[in-house]
Amino acid sequence: EAGVTQSPRYAVLQEGQAVSFWCDPISGHDTLYWYQQPRDQGPQLLVYFRDEAVIDNSQLPSDRFSAVRPKGTNSTLKIQSAKQGDTATYLCASSSRGGSSYEQYFGPGTRLTVL
Amino acid sequence: GDQVEQSPSALSLHEGTGSALRCNFTTTMRAVQWFRKNSRGSLINLFYLASGTKENGRLKSAFDSKERYSTLHIRDAQLEDSGTYFCAGDRGSALGRLHFGAGTQLIVIP
Repeated sequence: EAGVTQSPRYAVLQEGQAVSFWCDPISGHDTLYWYQQPRDQGPQLLVYFRDEAVIDNSQLPSDRFSAVRPKGTNSTLKIQSAKQGDTATYLCASSSRGGSSYEQYFGPGTRLTVL
Repeated sequence: GDQVEQSPSALSLHEGTGSALRCNFTTTMRAVQWFRKNSRGSLINLFYLASGTKENGRLKSAFDSKERYSTLHIRDAQLEDSGTYFCAGDRGSALGRLHFGAGTQLIVIP
C-alpha cells in the first residue's frame, strides 16, 4: 500500500512569491491534515479536511494561505506572497475514521525556504 | 504545542544501553502517537496507543490517560536509532487532531 505522497520535496522562494504544495493521501483515508513544522519544533496543525469539507482552518493564516480538497482525495496548500517566517517543512497526513483508531500517517514533507 | 511537554530535549546513549523519553500532557488525551524522524525527514510511525502498553522489538511505549503521560523506552540502542522522536496527543475532538511535543533528539554513540 502506498503511503502519503507530497510534492515538491523542496522549494526556495523570494519573499512575495507564491507556492503550492500537493498531497496525495493513503487510498481510502477520508481525513487529511496539513501541518507546519518550523525547524527544531514539533508540527503544528494548519488545517484539516474530512472528505472535501474543511473541518478546522482556525490556525491557517487566511490572508495568505489557502487549502482545498475538491474531490475528497488529493489536496493543495497554497501560500500567496510568502514571507521569511513561512520557512518550515509542510507536512501532509491522512487517517481513516474506520475502526477505533485515528492513527495518522505522514508524508515526507515539503521543505520551504523563503529568502 | 503548550499542551504537550516532552523530555528530555536531547539525549546521548552509548550503543547497547537504554533510556526513556517522556511526554506529559496538560489536558486529557484520548490517544498518543510516537514518531521517529528519519534521516530523510520523514515521520515514521512507531506506536499508536489509546491505553496500556505496546512493544515492538527494542521499543516499548506506555500511555496513562488518567495520569496524563506517555513514555517511550528504548533498550539496547543501535546507531540506526539516532534521530528525533516526537510524541503527539489526540484530545479526542473531531477527527483526531494531533498536538505535538517539541521532540527529543537522540544520538547513539558507538
